[in-house]
Amino acid sequence: KQEVTQIPAALSVPEGENLVLNCSFTDSAIYNLQWFRQDPGKGLTSLLLIQSSQREQTSGRLNASLDKSSGRSTLYIAASQPGDSATYLCAVAGNMLTFGGGTRLMVKP
Amino acid sequence: EAGVAQSPRYKIIEKRQSVAFWCNPISGHATLYWYQQILGQGPKLLIQFQNNGVVDDSQLPKDRFSAERLKGVDSTLKIQPAKLEDSAVYLCASSWQGDGHYEQFFGPGTRLTVL
Repeated sequence: KQEVTQIPAALSVPEGENLVLNCSFTDSAIYNLQWFRQDPGKGLTSLLLIQSSQREQTSGRLNASLDKSSGRSTLYIAASQPGDSATYLCAVAGNMLTFGGGTRLMVKP
Repeated sequence: EAGVAQSPRYKIIEKRQSVAFWCNPISGHATLYWYQQILGQGPKLLIQFQNNGVVDDSQLPKDRFSAERLKGVDSTLKIQPAKLEDSAVYLCASSWQGDGHYEQFFGPGTRLTVL
């Protein structure tokens, strides 16, 4: 059974810092890995999707990497802004989509 | 392209009452999913449909939860009777196909509070 873990569970940083969110998974037989953003009371917004054959994906200030052999992914956020404050979820696609518990990010002005 | 639509957005009921949620997926998407997200946790898959057939309902509490997708488009999820622990956000998602290669797109969710 796939298990997905996200560390840290919560993170508070001052505006402008570069930061890294971590995601680990136990079964490397995956199709892809997605990073989502969730604002309070809202649904999920897809940020990046990395296919199993890829090593990384970039979108603006976001960069996600995937190391399938070690069961790890990182989401790098450059020059963080208060508007980045949200919960970030990673999800691994095998036979089903399995989510981690999320990292709650607070970026202070 | 219109996204996944869900209604209602919020619902408050008392325990032992019934409630139903509705989802309209992205046009042309064959696969539809219902997830339950308890506060502070990641979403958990309840049921997956491929067209109007059930692919996976192994985590659906079938004694109180039911779901249908009669015409292979819209879907409803019902809880009867509701318990306090059913308080959660119920998310609907859809994808082109359901073999894991295809990205899932999520609706805004329905926040259920059971008193």
